[in-house]
Amino acid sequence: AQSVTQPDIHITVSEGASLELRCNYSYGATPYLFWYVQSPGQGLQLLLKYFSGDTLVQGIKGFEAEFKRSQSSFNLRKPSVHWSDAAEYFCAVGLYNQGGKLIFGQGTELSVKP
Amino acid sequence: ETGVTQTPRHLVMGMTNKKSLKCEQHLGHNAMYWYKQSAKKPLELMFVYNFKEQTENNSVPSRFSPECPNSSHLFLHLHTLQPEDSALYLCASSQEDRGFGYTFGSGTRLTVV
Repeated sequence: AQSVTQPDIHITVSEGASLELRCNYSYGATPYLFWYVQSPGQGLQLLLKYFSGDTLVQGIKGFEAEFKRSQSSFNLRKPSVHWSDAAEYFCAVGLYNQGGKLIFGQGTELSVKP
Repeated sequence: ETGVTQTPRHLVMGMTNKKSLKCEQHLGHNAMYWYKQSAKKPLELMFVYNFKEQTENNSVPSRFSPECPNSSHLFLHLHTLQPEDSALYLCASSQEDRGFGYTFGSGTRLTVV
């Protein structure tokens, strides 16, 4: 069965420090992969997506993610975190054989300390 | 403005009330979705509509009744809800056959008292 795992429920980093949020997926084919961000009380905003090609994907707000097929991972990174990055982050896999239906991970809550 | 608009943003209702949530998209998408997001729980897919036809109902109680009159509008009719139904209800849309991901609305924060 398809699934997405975000091992870290909550992460705290200092402002200006680097960030890596982990995501592992289980899917029997090449997936579409996404990262979304959700600020409190808001909907989800797309940060970046991977369909094919270059495995390092650039997104909005200075985020990037790298697809590693051998590890079934799609980790999100940012070299220098800003206080405004505090939010919840969701990884998702798109099932192209089911019309692009998305399966979401449980989310990682990011706190940023001054 | 994300392209997907949900109204109202906040709703408080009693357990005997009937209310409706509305979702509207002007992105030309042909699939629309309702998700429930409860505190400390993963996103729960409730309903999926493709080309106005319901294609998925994830064992949602009958007190939630979706309606999709056209590809741009999606409703969630609520009646005799329970306090545990309090949550953020998110609507999303997508171009179903392209797997480009979803565009989400800002959600309706529902409180059942």
